[in-house]
Amino acid sequence: DVKVTQSSRYLVKRTGEKVFLECVQDMDHENMFWYRQDPGLGLRLIYFSYDVKMKEKGDIPEGYSVSREKKERFSLILESASTNQTSMYLCASRTGPPEINTEAFFGQGTRLTVV
Amino acid sequence: AQTVTQSQPEMSVQEAETVTLSCTYDTSENNYYLFWYKQPPSRQMILVIRQEAYKQQNATENRFSVNFQKAAKSFSLKISDSQLGDTAMYFCAFMSTGNQFYFGTGTSLTVIP
Repeated sequence: DVKVTQSSRYLVKRTGEKVFLECVQDMDHENMFWYRQDPGLGLRLIYFSYDVKMKEKGDIPEGYSVSREKKERFSLILESASTNQTSMYLCASRTGPPEINTEAFFGQGTRLTVV
Repeated sequence: AQTVTQSQPEMSVQEAETVTLSCTYDTSENNYYLFWYKQPPSRQMILVIRQEAYKQQNATENRFSVNFQKAAKSFSLKISDSQLGDTAMYFCAFMSTGNQFYFGTGTSLTVIP
């Protein structure tokens, strides 16, 4: 089974802190994604990466950055956490181009609270 | 830009009955993929069913089936013989060759015993 593992299930951080959310997948997937999930808004794409050291902005990249130094790991960084970044964060991964494979696998989510 | 609309924030169904969740989308592309994902309470998001836009036949996976109307840009999910384990948030999603998934706002389904 494909496993996408997020480092923390719950996280509480203070305003202004630098926050790292880690995601690891064990199936050699090229594509990895970070979403935030908010009630009534669904899932919104923050950043995605289609290869090591490659990244693309999603719909809401402001206040976030990402790092992909190794194929299996995709990190989301909140440079200076703010209360409006309190949310559920979901990592996902997928292999190949859409013509080859379409299923994305998700991690269990990290519920981040910024106080 | 692609948009995905789920107009039913909450739905409920009696156990063993059938329920249909609605989804519409907007795109100018001709080749794309549609999905329904399920997110049980406090558990991981999992794929329920997928549909390739170039296929006319509606996808089916056991008790789950879709009604794909390409011209109307509609992609509804039918759950037959509903079970308590079907209680979850359901997300409709769209993916084009651009590699990004676009999700709807979700429908919270409750199966009533």
